[in-house]
Amino acid sequence: DTAVSQTPKYLVTQMGNDKSIKCEQNLGHDTMYWYKQDSKKFLKIMFSYNNKELIINETVPNRFSPKSPDKAHLNLHINSLELGDSAVYFCASSQGTGGEAFFGQGTRLTVV
Amino acid sequence: DQQVKQNSPSLSVQEGRISILNCDYTNSMFDYFLWYKKYPAEGPTFLISISSIKDKNEDGRFTVFLNKSAKHLSLHIVPSQPGDSAVYFCAASAAANAGNMLTFGGGTRLMVKP
Repeated sequence: DTAVSQTPKYLVTQMGNDKSIKCEQNLGHDTMYWYKQDSKKFLKIMFSYNNKELIINETVPNRFSPKSPDKAHLNLHINSLELGDSAVYFCASSQGTGGEAFFGQGTRLTVV
Repeated sequence: DQQVKQNSPSLSVQEGRISILNCDYTNSMFDYFLWYKKYPAEGPTFLISISSIKDKNEDGRFTVFLNKSAKHLSLHIVPSQPGDSAVYFCAASAAANAGNMLTFGGGTRLMVKP
C-alpha cells in the first residue's frame, strides 16, 4: 500500500492551460509538502502545509496554489502554465517537525 | 544561493569498498540533517538522519558523520553494493524555521561497480 501517492505520473499540456496534480498520504501525517525538481535536478521546496498554516516559498509564483480538502490530501493547482514550469513535482509528508519526509513517486510535467 | 552543497556530482566505487559522500552547508541554523536515496523515476527515499547534538549515527552499512564546526557532513556506505547505485541527496532543516521544510543539496550520483 503506497504511503504517499500522486497522480498523474506524467502530464503533458499546452502553455496557458490550468492543471492540477493530486497527492494523498495514508501515513496519518499532519504536514504535507510540494517540492519541485528542476532541469538541473535541484529539489526545492514550494509549500509546507498542515491544518494550521501554509508556508509558501517566496520564490513560487502565485500561479501555483496548494489546496487541501482534508489532512490526507494536498493538491497542487497551476494556472496559466508556462514552459518554465516543466519539471518533476514531488509531494511529501511528515509527522510534526524535525522528522524525515516521505515522498511520492513524482509527477513529470511537460509544458509544450 | 545554495545553503546545502554536494560538490561531487558523481562517484564511482568498486563493490565491497567504502563509498563516502560529502555535503557542506552554510546556514548555522540547520539542526537536523538527512540523507535520501533516489532511483530514476522514483521519489527520494529516506536513508538516515542525524541531529546536531550528535556527531555520528549508524544504521547497518550506513553511517553519517557531522562536523558542526566545519559545517560538513558525510555518508559512509560500507561495504558498497551494486544496489546502492543511485543519486544521493543531502538535506537539512531548522527547527526555528516554520514548516519543517527541507533544503536539499544538488545530489551525488553513486555508481557501484560489480
